[in-house]
This record gives sequence, C-alpha cells and structure tokens, in this order.
Amino acid sequence: GESVGLHLPTLSVQEGDNSIINCAYSNSASDYFIWYKQESGKGPQFIIDIRSNMDKRQGQRVTVLLNKTVKHLSLQIAATQPGDSAVYFCADNYGQNFVFGPGTRLSVLP
Amino acid sequence: DAGVTQSPTHLIKTRGQHVTLRCSPISGHKSVSWYQQVLGQGPQFIFQYYEKEERGRGNFPDRFSARQFPNYSSELNVNALLLGDSALYLCASSLGVRGSYEQYFGPGTRLTVT
Repeated sequence: GESVGLHLPTLSVQEGDNSIINCAYSNSASDYFIWYKQESGKGPQFIIDIRSNMDKRQGQRVTVLLNKTVKHLSLQIAATQPGDSAVYFCADNYGQNFVFGPGTRLSVLP
Repeated sequence: DAGVTQSPTHLIKTRGQHVTLRCSPISGHKSVSWYQQVLGQGPQFIFQYYEKEERGRGNFPDRFSARQFPNYSSELNVNALLLGDSALYLCASSLGVRGSYEQYFGPGTRLTVT
C-alpha cells in the first residue's frame, strides 16, 4: 500500500520533557520523508526531512529517525515548549507525490 | 523572500457554484502541488504541475482542474461544488517535480460550501 499512518493520534507531554512522535509507512520504495508541523488555521510548516540512505538526522531541537527494516519513522523533540503544541504529520514520497498520515496532536502541559 | 502565497484566505460558496483558488510559489520554484485537507485529516494530494504541465493527479473527480502559468503561479478550479468540498485547500511549491524535493506550503484557502 501507499498509506502513511501514525501510531498515536494524540500525545500530551510536560513542558521541558522530550516528545517522540511515531509514524509507520507502507511503501518500501519510498526514499524521502518529511515531518511537518501544523498549527491551527495555518498551512503545514516544514520541520525536517530525511532520505532513505540515512537513519538519523538532527536539526534544532528535533531529530528524525528512520528504520527502513520495519518501515518506521519518528520525530523527537527535545525540551518540548508550549510553542510546540500543534498537529504533526509525516509525509512519504509515493512516486512523484507525497502521502500524508492523519497526524498526531501534541499538547504541551504547563 | 516571500513564502508561498494563496488567495483568497476564506471563501463561502453555495452548492453548484464554481470556485477558483490561486497560488504563487516561492521565487525560483517551478513545481506547484495542490492538496485538500478536510478537518481532522492529513492533506490529500490533488494535482502537481511543473513547467506548466500536469505531472500528477490524485483520486479526485473531473470537477477539479488546475493550470500553471508561465510565471509558475497556479489556479485550482472546482466546478459544481458539493458540500463535501468544504475543506482547507493547500498549495505547496518545490524546486523540482520528483517527490524528493522539499515542499513548502502556503497558508491555505478555507472553502466553505453551504
């Protein structure tokens, strides 16, 4: 199949803790993955990407891990802040286009 | 540099009408993709255009059409609107046509069909 899905639809974390958002993809031919953050009323915002020749990539406070063996992708956010509250989507390049999962809502508790 | 821009921001139409949504990509980007995002779901791919040619089409009826202009801006047209067309319509631009380039999204157009 070509679906991209998420294990957890909602995630609540304490401010300052680390967050981990998971994603499963089904297309073994996918070679490029992107994580997006979408705040209410706004378009998706690019966070970080990773290609299939890598298993880890780090950005500012974010890390993406790719496990091609089990077709699993995760986004780690360090020291989660209130501004991180949003819906997070992973997207996988199926052919020339991107397939998005349903999203995970991250809520940061004070 | 300006990001992807879309117009209008919000739109209310009645069933049976048609609508035209507009998108301007990031300067230098030649590919524009359109997505439909229904409330509570992830974006669903509608079209991709590159160098004014359609390069991909999602599973949407023929009521949906699009085009890309020489300046790489794009229009999405939807005819005979249905209540189910109510959604956030997102435009994304990228440098290339293959799905291995970063896609940057605009703020979207919120379409409400009554």
